[in-house]
Amino acid sequence: QSVLTQPPSASGTPGQRVTISCSGTSSNIGGNSVNWYQQFPGTAPKLLIYGNNQRPSGVPDRFSGSKSGTSASLAISGLQSEDEADYYCSTWDDSLNVWMFGGGTKLTVL
Amino acid sequence: QVHLQQSGPGLVKPSQTLSLTCAISGDSVSSNSATWNWIRQSPSRGLEWLGRTYYRSKWYNDYAASVKSRIIINPGTSRNQFSLQLNSVTPEDTAVYYCARKRVDCTGGRCYYYFDYWGQGTLVTVSS
Repeated sequence: QSVLTQPPSASGTPGQRVTISCSGTSSNIGGNSVNWYQQFPGTAPKLLIYGNNQRPSGVPDRFSGSKSGTSASLAISGLQSEDEADYYCSTWDDSLNVWMFGGGTKLTVL
Repeated sequence: QVHLQQSGPGLVKPSQTLSLTCAISGDSVSSNSATWNWIRQSPSRGLEWLGRTYYRSKWYNDYAASVKSRIIINPGTSRNQFSLQLNSVTPEDTAVYYCARKRVDCTGGRCYYYFDYWGQGTLVTVSS
């Protein structure tokens, strides 16, 4: 069971806005910035958001991140069929001294 | 552009040692602004960070408590690579193993830490 809690699934129709939550504690999200990764089947995770809300070069501005207290969120606006993937939050845990990952959210575009 | 190329066997017998190598191009294993990590992924454990090696005037290693007694991560400076050795494996160690670079990016008075480049992944099955 992951220390970072994500909903196992999310869905939306093309054009909609969806959000994925990530809940942690004061030793991880509460004290460190959150990164988000996108993963397609059979491939490695790809960095989507870093530093809570920063987008790497090449990531569309449809993707945005935020953090408040011990929770973080990933928002995808203008949902597209190619956004169907698994999404993971991640941060450092100061108590366990490990990089943590959420359990992942499978996004389905209906 | 950084590229990480993994190599190693996909099948390991129980109680034996899992060994993987990650060859780096486009960066140096001795970089002062990166750490070099191993992460695995399985349906039962999800994404699990295993450990890292990095150079800051000397070499350092950090390991996750879950594997600390069985793991060694070594830099290979002559070939610009790093390796994973996991001893006494059991079927629970069956997973896709990834190497990844963690970047330290400091701008505007803030520093960000993230895994920006990943290897292609190696499915390692522990079975007799």
